[in-house]
Parts: sequence; C-alpha cells; structure tokens
Amino acid sequence: ILNVEQSPQSLHVQEGDSTNFTCSFPSSNFYALHWYRWETAKSPEALFVMTLNGDEKKKGRISATLNTKEGYSYLYIKGSQPEDSATYLCACLRGNEKLTFGTGTRLTIIP
Amino acid sequence: GAVVSQHPSRVICKSGTSVKIECRSLDFQATTMFWYRQFPKQSLMLMATSNEGSKATYEQGVEKDKFLINHASLTLSTLTVTSAHPEDSSFYICSASRRVGFLRSNQPQHFGDGTRLSIL
Repeated sequence: ILNVEQSPQSLHVQEGDSTNFTCSFPSSNFYALHWYRWETAKSPEALFVMTLNGDEKKKGRISATLNTKEGYSYLYIKGSQPEDSATYLCACLRGNEKLTFGTGTRLTIIP
Repeated sequence: GAVVSQHPSRVICKSGTSVKIECRSLDFQATTMFWYRQFPKQSLMLMATSNEGSKATYEQGVEKDKFLINHASLTLSTLTVTSAHPEDSSFYICSASRRVGFLRSNQPQHFGDGTRLSIL
C-alpha cells in the first residue's frame, strides 16, 4: 500500500451503539500514526499519536490500536453520542517526516 | 481554545487576484509549519513545508512561484496564491506542532480552521 486508506468512507450509527473503522498504511519506514477528529466548521482536533506496534490508546469512549507490522490501525467508539458525529482522519508519518492523510471516515450518529 | 489561528476563513474573488492566507501559532513558537490543500472528496495533500527564516520546501507538482510562502517570524507563516485562477479554488489549511521544527515526536499537529478559496 502506497497510500493511507480509510474505510468505510462513511457510516451511520445509532446513538448508543459502538462502532469502529480502519486506517491502512504502508508498513515500511513507519514512524507514527495520527488520528484526528474533524467536526464541520472547526479545525481538526488531535485524538491520538501512536508509534509502537501493539500500542493501544484511550480517550474517554474513544480508543485506538496500532499494528505496524501489517499496517493498520483501528479506531473504536463505544456508546456513540451525537457529539461524536465528525470526520475521523488518520495520517501516517514515515521516514520522510511528512504526514500522509487518508480521506477520512465520515461518521453520523443517529439520535 | 485554538492554538493555531488561520484567516481569512473564506475568500471569494475574481480571477487574477492574489490572495494571502495567514497562519499563526498563538501560544508556542513554530519554526516549521505545514500547508495543505484539500479538493472535494480527497485527502489533505501537503503542499509545502514552511521554514522560519529560510525557503519553503515544496512538494512535487506545487509551483513555488504560484504559491508563495513566507515564514518571517516564529509565529507566523503566510501563503499567497498569486494571480489566482478558478482551478486554484480549494480548501487550504495550515498546521504546526509544539515540538519546534521536529515532526518525529509524539506531538500531534495543531491545525487552523482552514480557508475556503473560491475564484470566479
């Protein structure tokens, strides 16, 4: 994989349900994986920066895992709330010190 | 609160106009800032890396004479789209990290709110 890919592109989740989505990235020359939440009309907000294979990070109801050997990261949201509606971006930092972004997963929470 | 300020948030102007976009780090010094562009349904694409006190580094395919970057202080980088044309219409956004000039750290990027540029 030469690009950072996110799936699904969009999803609708019922309030209270849990959900997860995927970020795939090149595993070669990997340095770090970033997750951002981007709400409409706001700036992207950093959620996590992960560097080590097997890293798991948590922030409230949101958590993320990292597998650098196979080149993927999962973002989990437990008990979705309307305020979780946003686009979730992942970005991969490789040896060239430039962040390469995925196209994002657009999450809509249905009340 | 915001740690990176970007303005203007929206510009609509005629073809041939030059447009300046400012990106400021509010409570930290940033020797390096990044400028991205996003076309509809696409990812944020790095245009250039802005370096305080030296020339910007442009990504392949980005015309340096078209997109002038000035990083004259530790808290301000500007992107000027010169003689803008309709194909330059896009969303432009800047970012900076608290870790001075070094992306290889656990520090996340702080983004501005972005600038929606529309060239008529």
